Amino acid sequence: KAGVTQTPRYLIKTRGQQVTLSCSPISGHRSVSWYQQTPGQGLQFLFEYFSETQRNKGNFPGRFSGRQFSNSRSEMNVSTLELGDSALYLCASSLGSGDREGEQYFGPGTRLTVT
Amino acid sequence: AQTVTQSQPEMSVQEAETVTLSCTYDTSESDYYLFWYKQPPSRQMILVIRQEAYKQQNATENRFSVNFQKAAKSFSLKISDSQLGDAAMYFCAYRSELGSGGSNYKLTFGKGTLLTVNP
Repeated sequence: KAGVTQTPRYLIKTRGQQVTLSCSPISGHRSVSWYQQTPGQGLQFLFEYFSETQRNKGNFPGRFSGRQFSNSRSEMNVSTLELGDSALYLCASSLGSGDREGEQYFGPGTRLTVT
Repeated sequence: AQTVTQSQPEMSVQEAETVTLSCTYDTSESDYYLFWYKQPPSRQMILVIRQEAYKQQNATENRFSVNFQKAAKSFSLKISDSQLGDAAMYFCAYRSELGSGGSNYKLTFGKGTLLTVNP
C-alpha cells in the first residue's frame, strides 16, 4: 500500500505570492491533517479535513486555508506569503472514523522557502 | 489547552547503551493518547510507540518502552541497545480521546529531542 505523498517536495516563493501544496493520503484514509514545522515554533497543527469538511482548525491566520476533494486528496493554500511562512509543511492521513486509536501516518513534507 | 514539554533539546548515547528521553505534559482531560514519533534527518516522521492514558501498563515495542506516570503527567521513552539507526529527532505528542465524530485528530507536539548515537 502506497504511503502518504506530498507534492511538490521543495518550493521557493517570493514574499507576497501565494502557494498551493498537495497531499494524497493512504488509500482508504479519509482524514488529512496539516502541520507546520519550523525551528522556532516546532510542529504546529494547521487543520484537519474529513470527507471534504474541515473538522478542526489550529491557531493560524486566515491566509492559511485548505480543502479536501472527494477522493480524499487535500490541498493547503497560503496567500500573501511572508518570510515567516518558510517551513516544512507536513500532512498526515488516518482513517478518520471507526478507528479508536486514530493512528496518523505522515508524508515526507513540502519544504517551502519564502524569499 | 494541552501543552507538551521536552526539556532535553539534545541527547547522546553510545551504541548498544540505553538512553531515556523525557516528556511532561499538561492537560485537564482524563482520557487521551500519548505518542513518541521519530523524525530521521530528511526522512519521514514515523510512530515509535503509543500509550493510552487509561492503560496502567507501560507500552513496549521491541527496544522501545515508555514510563508513563499519569499522576505526574510524565511520559519518558527508553531506548535499549541503541543502534546507529536510532539517531533522529524524537517528538513527544499528545492527542485527546477521539470524540464520537472523530473530531480530535489534532496532535500537540513537544519541541523535540535530537538524539545522537555514537559508534
